[in-house]
Parts: sequence; structure tokens; C-alpha cells
Amino acid sequence: GQSLEQPSEVTAVEGAIVQINCTYQTSGFYGLSWYQQHDGGAPTFLSYNALDGLEETGRFSSFLSRSDSYGYLLLQELQMKDSASYFCAVRRGFGNEKLTFGTGTRLTIIP
Amino acid sequence: KAGVTQTPRYLIKTRGQQVTLSCSPISGHRSVSWYQQTPGQGLQFLFEYFSETQRNKGNFPGRFSGRQFSNSRSEMNVSTLELGDSALYLCASSSRDGQRRTGELFFGEGSRLTVL
Repeated sequence: GQSLEQPSEVTAVEGAIVQINCTYQTSGFYGLSWYQQHDGGAPTFLSYNALDGLEETGRFSSFLSRSDSYGYLLLQELQMKDSASYFCAVRRGFGNEKLTFGTGTRLTIIP
Repeated sequence: KAGVTQTPRYLIKTRGQQVTLSCSPISGHRSVSWYQQTPGQGLQFLFEYFSETQRNKGNFPGRFSGRQFSNSRSEMNVSTLELGDSALYLCASSSRDGQRRTGELFFGEGSRLTVL
């Protein structure tokens, strides 16, 4: 079967840096995505890594190591509005049925 | 441009009833997918529609069905509701180019279904 593991909860201090890890075991791998979801809100796409290495988008960066079946989302200069759930998702092929989501990490930012 | 719109946002049903949820995708997006989100299971793929045809279906019983109209709007239906069907049902649309490059999905805010 397909499995993605993320920590269920992470707490970090405003202004600091936090890393959310994702390890996966899937049949087929095309890339790793990250989504953010605020309470009561829609999941929104943050980033996508198809190749090993770091992708940077403003305060957010995402890393992938395909040999380790591992990726992480790095959030810098944390703001209170970053409190949300973050999901990693493995793209196992083309077609949305091939997108497998992790169960999410609830990030809480404290002052 | 307007995002993905889902209606209704909240609804309460009793066991045995049926429910229909609606989704309007982003203009120009022809692919619409439905997901079930529950605290323990995360997002589970229900089905995907493209040009009025169901392209793929996840591992859900036949009580879950859907359709897509010529304007790309989609509906999903759950018949003979069970307590375990209580969940947030999310609709997502995607463009052909987005699917090809990153698989990026644009989600609506969901319809929260409570079955009593």
C-alpha cells in the first residue's frame, strides 16, 4: 500500500524556523507536494519537488531526497498566520487518483 | 478569477438519507476531483471527472457517486448515509497544464457533512 508519515503536531515560536518532515513509501514516485490548510479553509498548494534538492518560495522552502524517500517543508520567520495544518502529498503518476496525501501536521505558532 | 465554490458549506443528515453536494471549478478548469477528509484518514480520493466522464474512482462503496456537467460543474451524491460518512468533502479543480507540470490542485472550502 501507500504510506506517508508526518508528525501529527508541531509547535514553534513566532519569528523562529520550523521544519515539517515527510517520509513516504509508495508504488511509483513523480514528485512531492505540500499543501497548507487553515481551520475551516481550503487546502492551498505551497510547493512541488520532482528532483532532489531545495525549492524556495519566499519564507517557505521544500526539500526532497528521493533516495531516502524523504522530504521536508521549512518555514522561516514564522508568523501567527502560519498556524495551520500542512499536508505532504506524493504524486505517484499522472492523474489525480495517483496523488496520495499524508494525514497532516498541525502547526501551532506561539508568541 | 473566482476560486472553487462548493455548496452547501454545512449540512446535517440522518442515517439512511441521501445527500447531493455541488462544486463549481475555476473557470477554464475541466478536471474536477472529490476528496473525503476525516481527522484520522486525511484526504482520501473519491473520484475525478473530466469532460463529463468519470476518469478514475477511489476505494469507496457504490453509495458514492458523482457526475459532471457540460459547464464542468460537478455534483457528488451519497446515498443511504451512514454515521461514518460524516466528513469534510472537498472538491478540487485542475488545469491540463497544472496537472502535467506539478499536479497542482485548487481546492474549495468543502462541504461539512454530519450524519446523525
